[in-house]
Amino acid sequence: NAGVTQTPKFRVLKTGQSMTLLCAQDMNHEYMYWYRQDPGMGLRLIHYSVGEGTTAKGEVPDGYNVSRLKKQNFLLGLESAAPSQTSVYFCASRNSGAYTEAFFGQGTRLTVV
Amino acid sequence: GQQVMQIPQYQHVQEGEDFTTYCNSSTTLSNIQWYKQRPGGHPVFLIQLVKSGEVKKQKRLTFQFGEAKKNSSLHITATQTTDVGTYFCAGTQYNFNKFYFGSGTKLNVKP
Repeated sequence: NAGVTQTPKFRVLKTGQSMTLLCAQDMNHEYMYWYRQDPGMGLRLIHYSVGEGTTAKGEVPDGYNVSRLKKQNFLLGLESAAPSQTSVYFCASRNSGAYTEAFFGQGTRLTVV
Repeated sequence: GQQVMQIPQYQHVQEGEDFTTYCNSSTTLSNIQWYKQRPGGHPVFLIQLVKSGEVKKQKRLTFQFGEAKKNSSLHITATQTTDVGTYFCAGTQYNFNKFYFGSGTKLNVKP
């Protein structure tokens, strides 16, 4: 079992460029999440999805878009990257239901110059 | 929106000393989970607390959930260098969908 896989692992973008981060899970989980991690800020929720075809905003959604066309994939898009989006991005998934643990991908380190 | 605050932000201890991190929510939580992130790694689930006043132990780690289900703590007895990492609490409200993490406590253990 691969669990949760994020691609790419590293990326450097120029300001204004766009890119898509891919998260794939093979555990048939309903819920998927995108977080960003910055020093001293913990993990902040960007967007999340509770099922195929549904998405919702988290704490810091501005500048990001997401799509969940297939249950196993959750895509995070940056339309016009800004230096403030330099961060480590983590995807997580969990089963639906009250008390399920989250499984994280290995993270994507994104630098916007 | 829900806020989960965690203190302290950093803790440096000598190996063998105890360590405690605290998690406080502005709203009542349905449950709380604790995760550990090793340096350069990703968060990994440690434990979940559900009941008011619940206490759980994992070897040298003791987890508590407050009576009002708004706060929690993680205590490590006699720290070891393998305990190094960042410890996060994560809570959900009763709709279960959103999953908020605290700001984390970074633990450094000097041998």
